[in-house]
Amino acid sequence: DAGVTQSPTHLIKTRGQQVTLRCSPKSGHDTVSWYQQALGQGPQFIFQYYEEEERQRGNFPDRFSGHQFPNYSSELNVNALLLGDSALYLCASSLIKTYNSPLHFGNGTRLTVT
Amino acid sequence: DQQVKQNSPSLSVQEGRISILNCDYTNSMFDYFLWYKKYPAEGPTFLISISSIKDKNEDGRFTVFLNKSAKHLSLHIVPSQPGDSAVYFCAASAFQNDMRFGAGTRLTVKP
Repeated sequence: DAGVTQSPTHLIKTRGQQVTLRCSPKSGHDTVSWYQQALGQGPQFIFQYYEEEERQRGNFPDRFSGHQFPNYSSELNVNALLLGDSALYLCASSLIKTYNSPLHFGNGTRLTVT
Repeated sequence: DQQVKQNSPSLSVQEGRISILNCDYTNSMFDYFLWYKKYPAEGPTFLISISSIKDKNEDGRFTVFLNKSAKHLSLHIVPSQPGDSAVYFCAASAFQNDMRFGAGTRLTVKP
């Protein structure tokens, strides 16, 4: 039973560039959430996707956008990268019909912006 | 706005003793609370949860206590083992909306 997988593991980008991160949810899950974890902080909610639509969004600028595909996998896109976007980006999946169920996290993508 | 707070950045305990990790929240609408454990270079792993209709949930060595009037929850680990050394995150959500996380507490269990 495959868990949540994310790619790439590490990424180095230059300020102003664009980046795409990818996530495959745990088998059987239909909802994908993205989180940003800066050094020394807890994960901060970016947005959640269900049925290929953005269901909820946290306090992040429009430079952060996403997509969910029919197979439930998801992408996170960040445009016009800033130094402050350097962080660990975590993808988590869940099954929406199961009320109050835990999120299952991948190992994250470490993004460094120089 | 930091709706979930973990005020102790670190905790050190002796193997075999009890570890108590604390968490406070401000949003009275939260109805689901969780603890996650995180090792370096890995994503957070779900440990234990509790819904707002309960005040205690136990799973082996791990027990979570919820005090709704004080908006406080705690995680007890008994007995603590060196393999429990990790960063522990408290999290909460309201009506299955986005999950909010605390900043984490680094637990070190010394042999």
